[in-house]
Amino acid sequence: AQRVTQPEKLLSVFKGAPVELKCNYSYSGSPELFWYVQYSRQRLQLLLRHISRESIKGFTADLNKGETSFHLKKPFAQEEDSAMYYCALRRGDKIIFGKGTRLHILP
Amino acid sequence: GAVVSQHPSWVICKSGTSVKIECRSLDFQATTMFWYRQFPKQSLMLMATSNEGSKATYEQGVEKDKFLINHASLTLSTLTVTSAHPEDSSFYICSPSAGGPYNEQFFGPGTRLTVL
Repeated sequence: AQRVTQPEKLLSVFKGAPVELKCNYSYSGSPELFWYVQYSRQRLQLLLRHISRESIKGFTADLNKGETSFHLKKPFAQEEDSAMYYCALRRGDKIIFGKGTRLHILP
Repeated sequence: GAVVSQHPSWVICKSGTSVKIECRSLDFQATTMFWYRQFPKQSLMLMATSNEGSKATYEQGVEKDKFLINHASLTLSTLTVTSAHPEDSSFYICSPSAGGPYNEQFFGPGTRLTVL
């Protein structure tokens, strides 16, 4: 089955510390992977996609086909990074979401 | 990003009534519309996919006669929850896509439905 797994429901990190949100995927073929973010009381928005290889708000994610992972990283956490983060993959014309990880930045 | 609106933003209704949710893509033409449902503290679950002018394709376990989707134009899609019950209470989110090389999906702000 094609799916994404986010093993952590909640991740608490001190401000200034590095952040890594884990995402593993299961997909036959070449996956197209995304990270979405949902800030409190706001709509879901695209954070980054693996094919563009860009860094948004200091976040990066590298596709590791050997480990079937697409972990989201940021070297120094900021308080405004507190949000729900969803890893997602495209299956045909649909985007399928992982269960999400709530990132809580501690002051 | 693209501008996507949903109306209403929240609705409370009695059990057994029907509720219609509108989704509009204000600055682009949505050839495909995805409807998701998000229960509290859970992820988005895809309910159905519709292409403009065609019947919607529903995900396994989603009742097509209960969740009626209309995608009659490239800028408007509606989701009607028929004979709503308390277990239908959820956050409903539309996600239009304009296709193209990146086939990016944009997301509406969501509609919170509470069925009493």
